[in-house]
Amino acid sequence: AQSVTQLDSQVPVFEEAPVELRCNYSSSVSVYLFWYVQYPNQGLQLLLKYLSGSTLVKGINGFEAEFNKSQTSFHLRKPSVHISDTAEYFCAVSDRLSEYGNKLVFGAGTILRVKS
Amino acid sequence: DVKVTQSSRYLVKRTGEKVFLECVQDMDHENMFWYRQDPGLGLRLIYFSYDVKMKEKGDIPEGYSVSREKKERFSLILESASTNQTSMYLCASSPRTEAFFGQGTRLTVV
Repeated sequence: AQSVTQLDSQVPVFEEAPVELRCNYSSSVSVYLFWYVQYPNQGLQLLLKYLSGSTLVKGINGFEAEFNKSQTSFHLRKPSVHISDTAEYFCAVSDRLSEYGNKLVFGAGTILRVKS
Repeated sequence: DVKVTQSSRYLVKRTGEKVFLECVQDMDHENMFWYRQDPGLGLRLIYFSYDVKMKEKGDIPEGYSVSREKKERFSLILESASTNQTSMYLCASSPRTEAFFGQGTRLTVV
């Protein structure tokens, strides 16, 4: 069964600094990979997704992620963060070739705190 | 836009009650999910349905059951609510790629 490990529970960073949120998943079978963001008191919003093709994926709000199959990783990056990026970020994975739908498994989340 | 609607934003129930959480999606998606979200634990999958009347247990199915009689509706049932089921419950639907989430139901069991 798939599992997702988000290596940092909290990441504090100063405004305009770069940030990387780390995500590793358990299986090397064909996968779909996702990052979701949850702002305080709001629902989950899709930030970006990897389905196939280029391993560098660009998402909303200047975020990008790189799929690394050999390291089973999908780390999220932003070159310069804003106060408004303060939120909780979730990495998720599903098996692309699953016969019975695509069970979506999430990590425990990383809280990004941007300080001024 | 995809719309996933959960019937209640907030619910307060008593221990031992049978509780129904309803979720409806408007995009004819095959897959629907129920998760619970607790601080520090992320989203944990309770049940997953890949077609009408078809379901699979997730990571934490104990104390819960589900029903999917129509493609657009996926119900989560707490057979006998307990205080450790106090949580945020999130429903999602998916066309086999990304999932679209409802706003969540915050359930408090007293």
